[in-house]
Amino acid sequence: QVQLVESGGGLVKPGGSLRLSCAASGFTFSGYYMSWIRQAPGKGLEWVSYIGNTGIYYADSVKGRFTISRDNAKNSLYLQMNSLRAEDTAMYYCARDPAIGGVDYWGQGTLVTVSS
Amino acid sequence: NFMLTQPHSVSESPGKTVTISCTRSSGGIASNYVQWYQQRPGSAPSTVIYEDNQRPSGVPDRFSGSIDSSSNSASLTISGLKTEDEADYYCQSYDSSNQRVVFGGGTQLTVL
Repeated sequence: QVQLVESGGGLVKPGGSLRLSCAASGFTFSGYYMSWIRQAPGKGLEWVSYIGNTGIYYADSVKGRFTISRDNAKNSLYLQMNSLRAEDTAMYYCARDPAIGGVDYWGQGTLVTVSS
Repeated sequence: NFMLTQPHSVSESPGKTVTISCTRSSGGIASNYVQWYQQRPGSAPSTVIYEDNQRPSGVPDRFSGSIDSSSNSASLTISGLKTEDEADYYCQSYDSSNQRVVFGGGTQLTVL
């Protein structure tokens, strides 16, 4: 069965960096677009970035600070987050997109807290 | 750029039917697929409808999705409501003009 397992979250100071990982299993990873989606405490879902055949795209709120990448040999998705701000505090979800511009499977999330 | 607008909250009794709307601010609702996600308290989201009206395996047929071009909106209908359906529901679509994923603000469903 499809599994997406995020890791790498934690507490980081403003201006710091963090790298999130998502280990995928149960499907042919290279054949799918993949996304990062976040949810600030008590707030709604916010798209962060996705990587697909047509390229890599970012939300304006993270462009220039976050970098999405993937390693198809390792069935893994990554999110390098630099220059972190308090407003980046959120649960970060890894998600699979079967090229529909949406999600069919979600991970359980990894929590990122940006605080001094 | 467009926005997806959902009611903040809806409530209905067990066994009844509820419909949650999602209105696209500009561009045709049929231009891009609409998905619906369920998020129970303390849990990750899960997909209940994809490609406007398709149900993933394991999602009961009490959940259905539709789009209406006349009102430029999508709808999620849940029939035979159960207390376990109490959750936040988010609609989502894709903005192909700038390659952005767009979420609605979410609707809190209370089953009482």
